[in-house]
Order: sequence, then structure tokens, then C-alpha cells
Amino acid sequence: DTEVTQTPKHLVMGMTNKKSLKCEQHMGHRAMYWYKQKAKKPPELMFVYSYEKLSINESVPSRFSPECPNSSLLNLHLHALQPEDSALYLCASSQAGSTDTQYFGPGTRLTVL
Amino acid sequence: AQTVTQSQPEMSVQEAETVTLSCTYDTSESDYYLFWYKQPPSRQMILVIRQEAYKQQNATENRFSVNFQKAAKSFSLKISDSQLGDAAMYFCAYWWYNNNDMRFGAGTRLTVKP
Repeated sequence: DTEVTQTPKHLVMGMTNKKSLKCEQHMGHRAMYWYKQKAKKPPELMFVYSYEKLSINESVPSRFSPECPNSSLLNLHLHALQPEDSALYLCASSQAGSTDTQYFGPGTRLTVL
Repeated sequence: AQTVTQSQPEMSVQEAETVTLSCTYDTSESDYYLFWYKQPPSRQMILVIRQEAYKQQNATENRFSVNFQKAAKSFSLKISDSQLGDAAMYFCAYWWYNNNDMRFGAGTRLTVKP
């Protein structure tokens, strides 16, 4: 099973709202990732968690707040977003500290009004 | 910083024919991984093939194969017997596993004509 699930599939929010994106995997992976993908662009790395600890934070604005409650679950909390934050948010997972492949979820399409 | 370049924004191939997508990268590391991912309109990023830099043998996965030239830092993807389902955006990616950091090229949109 190489499935990474993401909820919701679509999210529309106002600039004053607080919402969360959820990612889950049951492959026993210990590294999880958040990417942002704008239309017709490649994914850009936002955060990396390795063994539930934040290991990479690519200078992402503080209105994005990641959380890794356990090795299977990754959240991205959103607050006071801007319209330019509208994008596809992809989650991925892999075996931490090894040479395994990153497996991606289907993404959450976020629209900020 | 590692960079990945895909110089072909769009490619087109006739069904059942062969097409090659190009990718070059820049790195000072000797051990790393290279990937080709496919992203169809459904948006799901699907792994097509991966290559370990320490392996000289080119990776093959059914109709997909790569031409890995480490000295030239080139990593092209060959799709044989193209099928309509191969139509998608293809991303070349570089991964230096020491920091779990993946870098993607800009992508090549492949169209398959019936």
C-alpha cells in the first residue's frame, strides 16, 4: 500500500478564516512533507518533518503552521491567508534517513478569497 | 544550491511511438537520487522511475527507461510505445537524501496524439 490521503480535496476560505489541511499515511514512513504548487509550476517544498520533528522550514510565512501529532499524521494550519496563497497543497511521505521514494497524496486545492 | 532544468516546456508524440524528455541538473554531491514524476490532470504526482546516482546501470520500468549520464549531469526519460494514458505533465526531480530535500524541474507537458 503506497497511499497518502489528504483532506479536504477542495477548500475555499476567506482571509480572516482559520482552517487546517490534513495528511495521513499508513506505510510506516517517518518523514512527511508539505509542498505548494501554483498552476503550471513545479511543487515547492514548504516543510519537512523527520521522526515528528520539523527538520526543514523553507522560510514559509508564519500564516502557515505545520504540525505532526504522530508519525502517520501531518497537518497544515492556515490563518489570515492572502489570495496569492491559493494553490494546490501536496503532502508526501518517505522513509526518513534512507533512500526511499517520496509518495504523494492527491493534494488539496485551496482558494483564498 | 541544486537546480534542475527541463528545457522542453511541451512535447508531442504519436500513439505507439517513442519520445524522450530531457533533464539536466547541477550538483556538487556524488550520491543522490533522480526521479521522474508524472502529474496527470487529476493532479496526483505519480512516480514513474528513479535512478540512484551510484548505479551506472540505467533504470528501466516497463515502457519507461532513463539515460543517466552522471558526468554530464543529464537524466532523460524515454517512453516507448506511447499510450494515451501517458499524457501528463512530467517533472524531473533531484533528491539529496542527506537533507530530505527534493528539487523539481519546471516540467514538460506531454501530449499523446491518437
